[in-house]
Amino acid sequence: AQSVTQPDIHITVSEGASLELRCNYSYGATPYLFWYVQSPGQGLQLLLKYFSGDTLVQGIKGFEAEFKRSQSSFNLRKPSVHWSDAAEYFCAVGPQAGTALIFGKGTTLSVSS
Amino acid sequence: DAGVIQSPRHEVTEMGQEVTLRCKPISGHDYLFWYRQTMMRGLELLIYFNNNVPIDDSGMPEDRFSAKMPNASFSTLKIQPSEPRDSAVYFCASSPRQGVNTEAFFGQGTRLTVV
Repeated sequence: AQSVTQPDIHITVSEGASLELRCNYSYGATPYLFWYVQSPGQGLQLLLKYFSGDTLVQGIKGFEAEFKRSQSSFNLRKPSVHWSDAAEYFCAVGPQAGTALIFGKGTTLSVSS
Repeated sequence: DAGVIQSPRHEVTEMGQEVTLRCKPISGHDYLFWYRQTMMRGLELLIYFNNNVPIDDSGMPEDRFSAKMPNASFSTLKIQPSEPRDSAVYFCASSPRQGVNTEAFFGQGTRLTVV
């Protein structure tokens, strides 16, 4: 069965420090992978997506993610975190574009000054 | 486009009452999804439609839940009768037809509280 695991429920990072949020997926074929961000009281906004090609993908707000097939991972990174990055981050996998996504349980990011 | 529009944003109702959540997808999108978000279970897919036809409703928790999509621009999720454990944030999302560079676009959600 398809699944997504985000091992870290909550992470605190100092402003200006680097960030890595982990995501592992379970899927038989090549997955479509996504990272979404949810600010308090808001819907989910797409940060970036991977369908094929270059395994390092760039997204909005300075985020990037790397697809590693051998590790079934799609970790999200940012070199320097800003206080406005505090939010909940969701990794998702889909069998193909346009069908239902399966989400991880999310990682809450807190940014300390 | 205004994006996916959900109404109401907040709903407080008493146990046993009927609740109807509404969604207007982005024009031209062929797929519509209903998700439920809770602290315990995260984001769960309830049901999704393709071209107004329900494709997978295996996530609908009970017969108390029903969803319809009478046309391409409107969908409802109904809970009858509602129970306190239905309290959650319900998201609607839409997606274009299958193809490269498509993803789900989410509404801002309806926060449902059943007391």
